[in-house]
Amino acid sequence: QVTLKESGPVLVKPTETLTLTCTVSGFSLSNARMGVTWIRQPPGKALEWLAHIFSNDEKSCSTSLKSRLTISKDTSKSQVVLTMTNMDPVDTATYYCARIILRGSRYFDSWGQGTLVTVSS
Amino acid sequence: NFMLTQPHSVSESPGKTVTISCTRSSGSIASNYVQWYQQRPGSSPTTMIYENKQRPSGVPDRFSGSIDSSSNSASLTISGLKTEDEADYYCQSYDSNNSWVFGGGTKLTVL
Repeated sequence: QVTLKESGPVLVKPTETLTLTCTVSGFSLSNARMGVTWIRQPPGKALEWLAHIFSNDEKSCSTSLKSRLTISKDTSKSQVVLTMTNMDPVDTATYYCARIILRGSRYFDSWGQGTLVTVSS
Repeated sequence: NFMLTQPHSVSESPGKTVTISCTRSSGSIASNYVQWYQQRPGSSPTTMIYENKQRPSGVPDRFSGSIDSSSNSASLTISGLKTEDEADYYCQSYDSNNSWVFGGGTKLTVL
């Protein structure tokens, strides 16, 4: 059974750095046909893609947030870590991680439950 | 980059059929596969359609996906509507600059 679970602080202050961890089970981060992505959703708003990483360490981040985002993985721990610097109240959102399937296409097939992060002083 | 535009909301009665559109702003809708995700209130999204029309195991065949090059859009059709289908639906596609684009979401109300 594939599961993804997000963890991290529920509250961060403006200008602080957010570090979120996605711990996966039921598949390996070394699987060449899979990757992990981060998506966020401000309250009452739409989904927004943030970043992804694959087994060969290929990674990409949203161009609008590129200067603030870093994504990395620890295959031995089955964890993918997202850091976002200089947090602002507009970054208040539920942050999800999801598994990416690589076939001829790329798509998300399993999602975590999400973690709500509030940015406030 | 392109945008995916969805209607803000749709509504229909139980047992009926509803179609949700997703229009690509630039570039061909056929150039990258489209996915559809369902998000019930208070829950994380689940994948309903991938690669334009494929259903993951466990998704009822009441859900179907298609693309139309003439309107440069994708569609999610739900037949035999049930109250449990009431949710937000998001389309999504991969951008060739190595990123993903989501539509703004459509709130489906089953009256």
